Amino acid sequence: AQTVTQSQPEMSVQEAETVTLSCTYDTSESDYYLFWYKQPPSRQMILVIRQEAYKQQNATENRFSVNFQKAAKSFSLKISDSQLGDAAMYFCAYRFSSGSARQLTFGSGTQLTVLP
Amino acid sequence: DAMVIQNPRYQVTQFGKPVTLSCSQTLNHNVMYWYQQKSSQAPKLLFHYYDKDFNNEADTPDNFQSRRPNTSFCFLDIRSPGLGDAAMYLCATSRGGNLAGVSETQYFGPGTRLLVL
Repeated sequence: AQTVTQSQPEMSVQEAETVTLSCTYDTSESDYYLFWYKQPPSRQMILVIRQEAYKQQNATENRFSVNFQKAAKSFSLKISDSQLGDAAMYFCAYRFSSGSARQLTFGSGTQLTVLP
Repeated sequence: DAMVIQNPRYQVTQFGKPVTLSCSQTLNHNVMYWYQQKSSQAPKLLFHYYDKDFNNEADTPDNFQSRRPNTSFCFLDIRSPGLGDAAMYLCATSRGGNLAGVSETQYFGPGTRLLVL
């Protein structure tokens, strides 16, 4: 079974600084997708970034980028120029690349605090 | 803007009194999901619909059921809510396909917080 581990329950960062959230996963599959979702206090889950396992290039979305290390099964999220609005719970998630298995496997989350 | 809508945002029910939560979407996605999320935990998938096909997770209690009358709407019915069912319920949608390379990224609604008295 696939598992996703986020070893940092809480992180904090100074406004305008850079922070990296870690995520590791365990799978025997070679083709899959990885996601980072953000859940602010309003509780709506918002997609931050997505990575296809078959792509070697790391995904980037504005201030958000990932460091995808397939061999190490690591998928960290880097937030540059942190803003107060980035404060949220961040979940890493995995999905096997198959039409029949569509459930997301979530990590336990990392609560990010942004300090002014 | 295309979106996933959940009503109501807050729902209060009594112990044992049936309750229905609703979800609608304007994304025209063929897959809809219901998750339960308890405080400080990751969301837990209850079930999902792929088109009209219902897929129940093995550990979803029988107390939870779902209906999908059309592509846009999906309902979560809790037949006899217990205190342990108090949680946030998240609806999500995705564009499903059986082709390799379809990421089926899930898009979430704002959630309904259920309180059981």
